[in-house]
Formats: sequence, C-alpha cells, structure tokens
Amino acid sequence: ETGVTQTPRHLVMGMTNKKSLKCEQHLGHNAMYWYKQSAKKPLELMFVYNFKEQTENNSVPSRFSPECPNSSHLFLHLHTLQPEDSALYLCASSPRGQGYSGNTIYFGEGSWLTVV
Amino acid sequence: GQQVMQIPQYQHVQEGEDFTTYCNSSTTLSNIQWYKQRPGGHPVFLIQLVKSGEVKKQKRLTFQFGEAKKNSSLHITATQTTDVGTYFCAGPGGGDYKLSFGAGTTVTVRA
Repeated sequence: ETGVTQTPRHLVMGMTNKKSLKCEQHLGHNAMYWYKQSAKKPLELMFVYNFKEQTENNSVPSRFSPECPNSSHLFLHLHTLQPEDSALYLCASSPRGQGYSGNTIYFGEGSWLTVV
Repeated sequence: GQQVMQIPQYQHVQEGEDFTTYCNSSTTLSNIQWYKQRPGGHPVFLIQLVKSGEVKKQKRLTFQFGEAKKNSSLHITATQTTDVGTYFCAGPGGGDYKLSFGAGTTVTVRA
C-alpha cells in the first residue's frame, strides 16, 4: 500500500480508442505528477499539478490530456495513441507544492499501457 | 536545465561483494534523493541528503553527498539478492516541487 492508487493496472488499447488512467492519493499531498517510464527514458516527467493547477507540461503531445479535479485525484486521458506510447505510466504525489525544498515523491504502482 | 547523470547504467555483482553507484549534477543541488525500484515495481523513496559532505547509512547501504553538493554516491556492502533493482538519484530541477531523475543504475546479483 503506497498511499497512491492507480487504476487500471494494465490497459491494452487500440490506436483509435479513448481511455483514461486514474490516480488517487490518500496522503493529503498538494502536488501530483504523471511520469512515463519506458526502456528508452527511464523516468520522464509529463505533467505537474500544484494545488490543482497545472504548473508543468513537459512538451507532452496533445494526445495525452491530464485532468486534476481536486488535490487528491488525477486523470490522464488518452486519445489516438501510437504504439511508441506503450510504457508504464506512474502517478505520484508530494507533500508540498512550489517553494518547498526537498520534496519527496511518492509513486503509485503504475499503469502498464500497451497500444496496439 | 539541471541534469542528473548516473553511472554505471548497469551493475552486475557477485553476491557478497560490494559496489558503488554514482550520481553527478551539472549544478549545485540543495538536496539529493535516492529511490529504489524493484523489478516489476514502482520507485520507492530511500533517503534524502541535504548537507555538504553528509553521510547516511541504512543497514548495508551508505549514501554520501559531496562537499560541493554536485555529486552523490550509494555504496552497498555484502550485496544480497534483495538488492536487485534500479537505483535512481534525483535532484531539484526547475522548481522545488519537481525532481530531475537520473537514468538509474540497474543492479543484478549473481548467486
């Protein structure tokens, strides 16, 4: 139990499908993140939300669309993905938002995505 | 932007032996963190170093922060099969709420 829960744990989708990944944190944290992990780029930051506001979009293609309705929930909406988007998508949270030094990241168990 | 480099990328260790993995930054870091990811798992926070020259130990793991706060090392003594996994270092990059992760050192152990 990590305190950060991701669903689904495994997802197979076609290139024309629309799906969403869900993340919920039970730690009372104020910042949430999406990371992509693949063999080519071990831990690639995608998006950062700080007090529900998106503060970072790390040049992510628009076929990935994040949503943060509140500080405990984070979604990643997926649309017309490519096979090279197949990877482990990790949600994470941290106690503080901007201005806090030494922010420890708590990761969820990840969602394994396969695009066919 | 700030980048964190780790070497080696892979470490194959005989059970019982020691090894060290290194983390280097192009800029001075306010702190550095280490994470471990077991095969098939997710990264888990191990430790944070803040002070120049700081050394912290967790059982057989020894973490060190360089005097210039630009590099760090993780030394594991008497490696066990439970040490298998990828060790990431991470430092603040582009804002205190964001970490820049190194590429990781993947450790395998020969029994």
